[in-house]
Amino acid sequence: QQQVKQSPQSLIVQKGGISIINCAYENTAFDYFPWYQQFPGKGPALLIAIRPDVSEKKEGRFTISFNKSAKQFSLHIMDSQPGDSATYFCAASRHDNFNKFYFGSGTKLNVKP
Amino acid sequence: GAGVSQSPRYKVAKRGQDVALRCDPISGHVSLFWYQQALGQGPEFLTYFQNEAQLDKSGLPSDRFFAERPEGSVSTLKIQRTQQEDSAVYLCASSLNENSPLHFGNGTRLTVT
Repeated sequence: QQQVKQSPQSLIVQKGGISIINCAYENTAFDYFPWYQQFPGKGPALLIAIRPDVSEKKEGRFTISFNKSAKQFSLHIMDSQPGDSATYFCAASRHDNFNKFYFGSGTKLNVKP
Repeated sequence: GAGVSQSPRYKVAKRGQDVALRCDPISGHVSLFWYQQALGQGPEFLTYFQNEAQLDKSGLPSDRFFAERPEGSVSTLKIQRTQQEDSAVYLCASSLNENSPLHFGNGTRLTVT
């Protein structure tokens, strides 16, 4: 049973557009929600993360929106660039093992020039 | 300094062979994780070390999988009698302590023929 569900599976966005990726979870014990970016042949790299005590976190062009009651969170990439083309994974973990992540299945983003 | 280093980058094994995958974490990092990433999927947790102690091995798929970190630094993931379903990228990650961000290596791609 997948603990974190991610959609869409793939996404095509024009340069300058907004990319939106959604995730949902069931386990209310999760209290840390990171997003990872992965390029082909590379390991995942931490992009941005949020805890459930805030509803939004912004770092540059990347924003996480968090809805605790709906158990959903999303990644927004503003002004998307071709260099953002990669696979994005949402994840969740519990406070008793901060880095034991349950990952979503990934979204392959293609930003067209 | 260098990031997490994994070797070999690629490994082809015939079904039934034993393999050993090596991980050199970032120097001084206490926590070390192994994740398995099947093609087109998100990483899945395998096991976790804090220094030399293996604190969680709940994600290891079967008793054919064994991991060790005898001196609290380099770790080895061993898979005995490999099967085709073991084909995946094996990712190692380390963090300074249990509450610090995780840094992933680029993985070892294992193909079992």
